Amino acid sequence: DAGITQSPRHKVTETGTPVTLRCHQTENHRYMYWYRQDPGHGLRLIHYSYGVKDTDKGEVSDGYSVSRSKTEDFLLTLESATSSQTSVYFCAISEVRAGTSGSLPYNEQFFGPGTRLTVL
Amino acid sequence: KQEVTQIPAALSVPEGENLVLNCSFTDSAIYNLQWFRQDPGKGLTSLLLIQSSQREQTSGRLNASLDKSSGRSTLYIAASQPGDSATYLCAVPAQGAQKLVFGQGTRLTINP
Repeated sequence: DAGITQSPRHKVTETGTPVTLRCHQTENHRYMYWYRQDPGHGLRLIHYSYGVKDTDKGEVSDGYSVSRSKTEDFLLTLESATSSQTSVYFCAISEVRAGTSGSLPYNEQFFGPGTRLTVL
Repeated sequence: KQEVTQIPAALSVPEGENLVLNCSFTDSAIYNLQWFRQDPGKGLTSLLLIQSSQREQTSGRLNASLDKSSGRSTLYIAASQPGDSATYLCAVPAQGAQKLVFGQGTRLTINP
């Protein structure tokens, strides 16, 4: 258990409304990520954070914004939800660790339980 | 751009069989490779991580191998059980060590 919680776990909302999803971790990991998972597309990175107030875009960032004002919380906001944003959203955390026995640094990610979002 | 492919997309085998799941990637300059398991409606659980200089990792009945030169990894499951039924995903870092690229997964069904 990597100490990751997501809230809410399920949400139904209407097109055009703002939505904020929260990811909370208890182990002070530096890196945090937001993914969405859709049939036929697999897991796709939306945004990630490499520290407080330090964020960057992933491959499907349009329509999403993020904020990280504390190490433990990473928020994903849909400013004006659309039906195409109906999905399962996963938060993940990681640290980059020094490799062993001549290996390069590695990044092992751990995932939260997910939030199922439906936009009507 | 790194791309990850998992074949087959779905696999169904009788209980007790040994089986192999495949993962291939296009850029062999990877820092590590990670295998995950996902049960329906659940999040991803990390199974094994193979570092760049390692050839394999083992955990219980699971053995993951890595051949960077050929861009391939395999996940071997010994003596399969119905509880092994799940989707298995592999992932490799892209653009350095911080971000992962995932395969589409193999949906495994073990029949009693």
